[in-house]
Amino acid sequence: EAEVAQSPRYKITEKSQAVAFWCDPISGHATLYWYRQILGQGPELLVQFQDESVVDDSQLPKDRFSAERLKGVDSTLKIQPAELGDSAMYLCASARALGNTEAFFGQGTRLTVV
Amino acid sequence: DAKTTQPNSMESNEEEPVHLPCNHSTISGTDYIHWYRQLPSQGPEYVIHGLTSNVNNRMASLAIAEDRKSSTLILHRATLRDAAVYYCILISGAGSYQLTFGKGTKLSVIP
Repeated sequence: EAEVAQSPRYKITEKSQAVAFWCDPISGHATLYWYRQILGQGPELLVQFQDESVVDDSQLPKDRFSAERLKGVDSTLKIQPAELGDSAMYLCASARALGNTEAFFGQGTRLTVV
Repeated sequence: DAKTTQPNSMESNEEEPVHLPCNHSTISGTDYIHWYRQLPSQGPEYVIHGLTSNVNNRMASLAIAEDRKSSTLILHRATLRDAAVYYCILISGAGSYQLTFGKGTKLSVIP
């Protein structure tokens, strides 16, 4: 069964350092999402792509976060510089297309900023 | 996006049916009702969705009130593996298909 792949699974970084997460969606899925989930809360949408274009990044803290999906396939989310409050699970999800289709989530990257 | 209201937590005995409620009194005519669940240490997974009619799949059933202001996710026979946080989400059929998660209902299954 096809899965959304994310790496790394765990990342510990010092504050002020740069950190990057990678996501490979299910093949053929045009829509890709990045979410952040703080412990005990539901996931919060950071950015949504349709192919290589950003559909919504209104919740992305653009002073330190950036996301790209250059060829409309895999995607990278970067934080620079990392802050203590960025410690969270970062989840990637993909869907076949915009519209009411099922979204598939990866297992996430657990970030700890020390 | 229209909001949903769910109980913070529920308990069920193993092998008994579970009814997870969701209120969405401000739902619009084009909003689909989706349910996702998140098992411990995993990403959310799709469970079921519907618009007006009740829906069944291998995982669960979705019962939608006639006025669509509430819905109920039904797990016919709870297992320990069903212990998770269940999220009820409204998605506009005319929008950008954003999954906006609330806090969900944490379901505990008692052996």
